[in-house]
Amino acid sequence: GEDVEQSLFLSVREGDSSVINCTYTDSSSTYLYWYKQEPGAGLQLLTYIFSNMDMKQDQRLTVLLNKKDKHLSLRIADTQTGDSAIYFCAESKNSSGSARQLTFGSGTQLTVLP
Amino acid sequence: DAGVIQSPRHEVTEMGQEVTLRCKPISGHNSLFWYRQTMMRGLELLIYFNNNVPIDDSGMPEDRFSAKMPNASFSTLKIQPSEPRDSAVYFCASSRTGFDEQYFGPGTRLTVT
Repeated sequence: GEDVEQSLFLSVREGDSSVINCTYTDSSSTYLYWYKQEPGAGLQLLTYIFSNMDMKQDQRLTVLLNKKDKHLSLRIADTQTGDSAIYFCAESKNSSGSARQLTFGSGTQLTVLP
Repeated sequence: DAGVIQSPRHEVTEMGQEVTLRCKPISGHNSLFWYRQTMMRGLELLIYFNNNVPIDDSGMPEDRFSAKMPNASFSTLKIQPSEPRDSAVYFCASSRTGFDEQYFGPGTRLTVT
């Protein structure tokens, strides 16, 4: 099975909160990330959380990590039409090599309805 | 900084032709990553370089794929010969040390007919 799983679609009304969920399988993951991809563009890092944390807040974004259940979520408060995009969850592990390798989920297409 | 630059943005080619994708990482970044994105398989790491040296190419699908990084400011991903199943968006990303945030380029959309 996939290392990182996400639901494919989410629709919300403008002004509501969005919650995008992600599960991962590797308990040795050290960092977990949320990336945003707008149409025709590359991935942009939104936020990340270290595995020894359970919450991180950055303006409208709140990341919650349940390490026991290997569950990560991204909450976007006051969702705007500009938040419509694909959101990717990714995990990484400490590597004895020379780079941190990321494993991405399939992405969740967020559609914000006016 | 201009960010990671990829060219071309779109490539349409016929099966059997050689395709070369290009990437210019952010100046000062010493790690470079090539990814492929498809509907079926999502985003996959193909290969990454550190200080211009290929470190892990286990994600390269077959011998038809090759990547080079002749200097710190340029990398290529070559497919020869190309096949329709290679159609995908190919992303290049760079990071300062390999353990820092990866900055993605806009991608090259490859269509092989």
